[in-house]
Amino acid sequence: SYELTQPSSVSVSPGQTARITCSGDLVAEKYVRWFQQKPGQAPMLILYKDNERPSGIPDRFSGSNSGTTVTLTISGAQVDDEAVYYCYSATGNIRVFGGGTTLTVL
Amino acid sequence: QVQLVQSGAEVKKPGASVKVSCKATGYIFSTYHIHWVRQAPGEGLEWMGIIDPSGGDTYYTQHLQDRLILTKDASATTVYMELSSLKSEDTAIYYCARESRDSSGYHYWGDYWGQGTPVSVSS
Repeated sequence: SYELTQPSSVSVSPGQTARITCSGDLVAEKYVRWFQQKPGQAPMLILYKDNERPSGIPDRFSGSNSGTTVTLTISGAQVDDEAVYYCYSATGNIRVFGGGTTLTVL
Repeated sequence: QVQLVQSGAEVKKPGASVKVSCKATGYIFSTYHIHWVRQAPGEGLEWMGIIDPSGGDTYYTQHLQDRLILTKDASATTVYMELSSLKSEDTAIYYCARESRDSSGYHYWGDYWGQGTPVSVSS
């Protein structure tokens, strides 16, 4: 079975660049999406197709793929970006979320 | 505007079934697939299944396929998630989410979500 591995937590100061990784065999084959979830809220899609932003998502959210690892980059992180971030990918009959990364901005 | 409105919280006993609704408004119901995702307390996201509101075709994650049924009522622009033989491990918030299509025609999902329906399973 496929797995997507994320660090459990990342911390940055406001204005710094935050990078969250997602690794696994699936990443090398298929596009990855990234979801942001704030406490008590439904998740929200912030990137799809590795680096495409849905309407309304700021351009300081970007993504890159280097083979078996994809990286979500948040440039100039803001306190409002504090959330849990999940990567997701799918192939055929398999759809998988990563375990989630808690981003702290302080 | 696109809205997905889910039914309210449920409390069930082990072995019972639960049926959660997701009413879609603001777009042509048959145009976009609907996904279901759940989240146990303090845990991550789990993809459950998908339904095509046009033809009713469904696909379920393997470990739930014996207990999960997704249906739709086009006249009510509503999809339903029914989970049977409930266990305490099914205690979670259940979300529906809609697919979209970008300018190139690429399908993706997750930019429209329901508000979530808490389901508690306890004896």
